[in-house]
Amino acid sequence: DTEVTQTPKHLVMGMTNKKSLKCEQHMGHRAMYWYKQKAKKPPELMFVYSYEKLSINESVPSRFSPECPNSSLLNLHLHALQPEDSALYLCASSQGQGGYEQYFGPGTRLTVT
Amino acid sequence: GENVEQHPSTLSVQEGDSAVIKCTYSDSASNYFPWYKQELGKRPQLIIDIRSNVGEKKDQRIAVTLNKTAKHFSLHITETQPEDSAVYFCAATDTGGFKTIFGAGTRLFVKA
Repeated sequence: DTEVTQTPKHLVMGMTNKKSLKCEQHMGHRAMYWYKQKAKKPPELMFVYSYEKLSINESVPSRFSPECPNSSLLNLHLHALQPEDSALYLCASSQGQGGYEQYFGPGTRLTVT
Repeated sequence: GENVEQHPSTLSVQEGDSAVIKCTYSDSASNYFPWYKQELGKRPQLIIDIRSNVGEKKDQRIAVTLNKTAKHFSLHITETQPEDSAVYFCAATDTGGFKTIFGAGTRLFVKA
């Protein structure tokens, strides 16, 4: 299985809601990533987990809270988001450090109203 | 931190022609350079990559060249086909191997 899956595909939430995005991979990869992608822009790194530990936080606002329950799962908890947070949220995974191909999930398209 | 510049932002070619996309990076410590293709509404997918100890790599119609001294790398697509139409992102990864910085992207149109 060489696929990264993400749920839900689409999410509409109000600014006072709490929701979670989920990502799963079964390739035995030890690094997992969250990216944010706005329309016509490149993916922008948010968080990196390595061996289930947070390795990189790119100064992301605390209304985004990542979680890695085990080596196959990655969550992104959302709370009190702003309309400008509307974007495509991509999850990715890779074998580990040293520069390996990142496999991207299909993304969750988030709209904050 | 790393900064990756990519040109052109838009490229239109006739089917069968070649397409070249160029990128420069700022951090001389970067050592892994992947290229991703993203079709409309789909996820980015790796099409080719190169490491800093290699100057050139080819895979069928796609090739990448790297000039470490000048800190630039290029993607070459030969015999372009309509299905090559997509957005192409170059990227550079730091020596830690986790932090990947993407270029702004090139929207390639291949006209039949």
